[in-house]
Amino acid sequence: AQKVTQAQTEISVVEKEDVTLDCVYETRDTTYYLFWYKQPPSGELVFLIRRNSFDEQNEISGRYSWNFQKSTSSFNFTITASQVVDSAVYFCALSEWGNQFYFGTGTSLTVIP
Amino acid sequence: EAQVTQNPRYLITVTGKKLTVTCSQNMNHEYMSWYRQDPGLGLRQIYYSMNVEVTDKGDVPEGYKVSRKEKRNFPLILESPSPNQTSLYFCASSLFRETRTYNEQFFGPGTRLTVL
Repeated sequence: AQKVTQAQTEISVVEKEDVTLDCVYETRDTTYYLFWYKQPPSGELVFLIRRNSFDEQNEISGRYSWNFQKSTSSFNFTITASQVVDSAVYFCALSEWGNQFYFGTGTSLTVIP
Repeated sequence: EAQVTQNPRYLITVTGKKLTVTCSQNMNHEYMSWYRQDPGLGLRQIYYSMNVEVTDKGDVPEGYKVSRKEKRNFPLILESPSPNQTSLYFCASSLFRETRTYNEQFFGPGTRLTVL
């Protein structure tokens, strides 16, 4: 079974629209870490955020915000007022005990000018 | 500059010819890991290492070997490459504290491997 599910394979939005990328995870551990990474067309992997299982506070960083809900095992990522530079593949990842990492299959976001 | 380097960046080889992809980090990180990225499958962990001489299998270790003789280096070895190992490979490193890796991983630029 997939430990991290990103059901949205591809999303297209028009510039300035808001977009939410879904991430659902599965774990039996009480201590775990969740991450989001961005992979722009150039190919590198860029860290965006880390959350531990004890911290359910939502976070906002500029146009980016994250909604962590343990009750639904979800860690969703919202981009407000999307820009063309946001076009990338976004990966959600889970680390149990911080040792082995599990990545989702990624969501390819295209922002149309 | 803090970074993870991988070499080579691109490699085309033939089935059965042993190859090594090197990975080096200059951040004194304890944790290092290898991933492969394939279309529609995301990133899958091959092997990881929590410190020198400590390595563990990830989700897809078959056909790969690793070693961690020095803290900064974590080479990926394909003893007998096959076409199904054609992929984009990433090395990553991270701090490791209190028995777990809770900090973000820093990724190398990737190595695109083609096995004919």
